[in-house]
Amino acid sequence: AQKITQTQPGMFVQEKEAVTLDCTYDTSDPSYGLFWYKQPSSGEMIFLIYQGSYDQQNATEGRYSLNFQKARKSANLVISASQLGDSAMYFCAMRELIDAYSGAGSYQLTFGKGTKLSVIP
Amino acid sequence: AAGVIQSPRHLIKEKRETATLKCYPIPRHDTVYWYQQGPGQDPQFLISFYEKMQSDKGSIPDRFSAQQFSDYHSELNMSSLELGDSALYFCASSLGPGYGEQYFGPGTRLTVT
Repeated sequence: AQKITQTQPGMFVQEKEAVTLDCTYDTSDPSYGLFWYKQPSSGEMIFLIYQGSYDQQNATEGRYSLNFQKARKSANLVISASQLGDSAMYFCAMRELIDAYSGAGSYQLTFGKGTKLSVIP
Repeated sequence: AAGVIQSPRHLIKEKRETATLKCYPIPRHDTVYWYQQGPGQDPQFLISFYEKMQSDKGSIPDRFSAQQFSDYHSELNMSSLELGDSALYFCASSLGPGYGEQYFGPGTRLTVT
């Protein structure tokens, strides 16, 4: 089963508008972390924002915020005041965390298929 | 701020040749991860190291091996290269393995001809 689902292969947004990129995840582990990365056409993978499953508040980093709805297993990325430089591929990823006592868990990130965002002037 | 360094940035090899990719994590980061991203694909986890020990293993072919050295840098060795190995190879690092952010390097673009 797909652990991370990004249902929007492509999105368009007008410059200066806000946009929401969807991400749903599947895990039975109570401890996990959710990440968003930006990949411009140049190829580098840029970390944007992180949300831990036990974090009480939604994560925010500048113009990026994560709308974390734990019961719905969704972790949507909201970009406010879009800029032309925001045009890129955006990946949602999850890590099921290490259990502090048993040591069980995974170190790896599992990625969604990505959403290509295009900002229109 | 210092970032993850990968070298080389681009590499062209022929089939059946070998390649070595290097990764230098962010200072004080003790955990290194390797990912492979094929054209138009999402990154796939290969292997990770924590404190110089292999900590997790993903879809890494037997032709590939990796290690982490005492200075925490890591090398991915790839032998008997195949056309399908052409991809972008990322190294990422984090402070500790179980939580917190993973920061990616710029990637090594490997082309096998």
